[in-house]
Amino acid sequence: GENVEQHPSTLSVQEGDSAVIKCTYSDSASNYFPWYKQELGKRPQLIIDIRSNVGEKKDQRIAVTLNKTAKHFSLHITETQPEDSAVYFCAAMGSGNTGKLIFGQGTTLQVKP
Amino acid sequence: DTGVSQDPRHKITKRGQNVTFRCDPISEHNRLYWYRQTLGQGPEFLTYFQNEAQLEKSRLLSDRFSAERPKGSFSTLEIQRTEQGDSAMYLCASSLPSTIWSQYFGPGTRLTVL
Repeated sequence: GENVEQHPSTLSVQEGDSAVIKCTYSDSASNYFPWYKQELGKRPQLIIDIRSNVGEKKDQRIAVTLNKTAKHFSLHITETQPEDSAVYFCAAMGSGNTGKLIFGQGTTLQVKP
Repeated sequence: DTGVSQDPRHKITKRGQNVTFRCDPISEHNRLYWYRQTLGQGPEFLTYFQNEAQLEKSRLLSDRFSAERPKGSFSTLEIQRTEQGDSAMYLCASSLPSTIWSQYFGPGTRLTVL
């Protein structure tokens, strides 16, 4: 069945360092890959996404890369700040028109000041 | 606030009781999704609607779960004969059919079954 694996489960970095979170997906028909940030007790919020016809996308300090051949995608956060501390989820959307998102297990990022 | 809203935000119930949650999507969004999130896990898809039609249901949605969207606006999720394993955050999201990738989540309803 459809599956998304996310690593690492926890990540601790010093303020100013970079953080990388990696995901792999099983459904080769997946064509859309969003990343969500969820702060404690709050709703998931979309922070960046990438489609299958693009290899890399950047938005200020956040970038996402996609390797369709290997079926994996990654989130890169540069110059991390304490407010980046949260749980990050990757997700994959399959083909067809359902809009169903398959989420990874989440990565708890802690940025130490 | 014109975002997705959910009610109640918290629900504590005893095992065996029925509970019902409500989701109000963004007004022009005719796609509505329900997800369940347990502690330390990512959201899991439960079901989705386009207008009033329920188009897909996950195998996670047992016979005790039912969702409706009678007029294509708000949706309700009912759990009958709740079990302790139903304790989770129930999230609702909505989108336009033309931009199904842009899903906006509500704040969730946290269910605790004692």
